[in-house]
Amino acid sequence: AQKVTQAQTEISVVEKEDVTLDCVYETRDTTYYLFWYKQPPSGELVFLIRRNSFDEQNEISGRYSWNFQKSTSSFNFTITASQVVDSAVYFCALSEAGAGTALIFGKGTTLSVSS
Amino acid sequence: DGGITQSPKYLFRKEGQNVTLSCEQNLNHDAMYWYRQDPGQGLRLIYYSQIVNDFQKGDIAEGYSVSREKKESFPLTVTSAQKNPTAFYLCASSIDRFSYEQYFGPGTRLTVT
Repeated sequence: AQKVTQAQTEISVVEKEDVTLDCVYETRDTTYYLFWYKQPPSGELVFLIRRNSFDEQNEISGRYSWNFQKSTSSFNFTITASQVVDSAVYFCALSEAGAGTALIFGKGTTLSVSS
Repeated sequence: DGGITQSPKYLFRKEGQNVTLSCEQNLNHDAMYWYRQDPGQGLRLIYYSQIVNDFQKGDIAEGYSVSREKKESFPLTVTSAQKNPTAFYLCASSIDRFSYEQYFGPGTRLTVT
């Protein structure tokens, strides 16, 4: 069965600190997709990244970076030099190739960045 | 501006009443989805539709119904059979069933008393 675990419920940091959000997934498929979404206080989910199971290259986009490791079934998300605007709930999600496009979400990590 | 609209943002109903949540998209996407979010929980899939006039149950479909008569619209009805209807409801769409990137609307917060 597929499952996504985000063990960190809440994280609080001070501006300019680096922070890593953990995501561990379970799937029996060899082809799958992993996602990160951001949910600011307004409620709308904002897509951040998609990674397929055949691409283990790490990705960097500005202050955001993602580390995908199939050996540990993890897809961790790091924010460098955090800012107050990064405060949000972050969700990791999994989609298996054989399951249409249904997304399985983790429970989310609430990140609070104070100034 | 292309996007997904959900209305209203906040909805209040009395227990025992059916209520319909609106979801409209002008992205020309084939697939649409409804998720439910409870405090401290991730999103759970209620229903999804990959094409007009077709839809499938998700993980928590009991007490909900949907229709997909037009490509742009995927309304969700929360029936009186839904035991705990108070939640935040999010609608999403994707280009088609093979596109794994979903775009989300702003959500509707339903409170039933």
